[in-house]
Amino acid sequence: NAGVTQTPKFQVLKTGQSMTLQCAQDMNHEYMSWYRQDPGMGLRLIHYSVGAGITDQGEVPNGYNVSRSTTEDFPLRLLSAAPSQTSVYFCASSYSRGNNSPLHFGNGTRLTVT
Amino acid sequence: GQQVMQIPQYQHVQEGEDFTTYCNSSTTLSNIQWYKQRPGGHPVFLIQLVKSGEVKKQKRLTFQFGEAKKNSSLHITATQTTDVGTYFCAGTFGNEKLTFGTGTRLTIIP
Repeated sequence: NAGVTQTPKFQVLKTGQSMTLQCAQDMNHEYMSWYRQDPGMGLRLIHYSVGAGITDQGEVPNGYNVSRSTTEDFPLRLLSAAPSQTSVYFCASSYSRGNNSPLHFGNGTRLTVT
Repeated sequence: GQQVMQIPQYQHVQEGEDFTTYCNSSTTLSNIQWYKQRPGGHPVFLIQLVKSGEVKKQKRLTFQFGEAKKNSSLHITATQTTDVGTYFCAGTFGNEKLTFGTGTRLTIIP
């Protein structure tokens, strides 16, 4: 099993450009989520999904959209990139909707917005 | 929103010394998880604590959950260079989502 796969690993965008960060998991996990990691601020939840067709906002959702058309995939869209979105993005999944399940993280996408 | 405070932010230790990181919450946690992130890597789950006063060990790592379920600690005995990384706690309040602490970055001086 590949676990949680994120693409791309690195991306540079210009202000105003759009892009989609891809995330796929092959563990049949119900729960998927996106975090951003900034120095000194830990991991902050952007959006999450408890199953196909269901998404909800996390702590820092502004500027990001998500969809969950299948159990396996949970892409994160930046509609109009801003320098404040420069960060490392992690996708994570867990096997149940509850909060007792360990999160499995992807390898991350390092995004720079100029 | 509810927060999980983690201290210290940085810790530099000589190889062989002990290391401890602490997490604190102003309200009761349902459970707490610990993760390790190697430099340039992604967070990896270490353990979950659920019961009041719970203590769990993994080789040189000891994890504790406070009696009031408002604090937790991770203690590493006799650090090794392989322990380098950032350690995160993540707590759950009721049925809410996991809230991560800000992490403690551990560096080892050989």
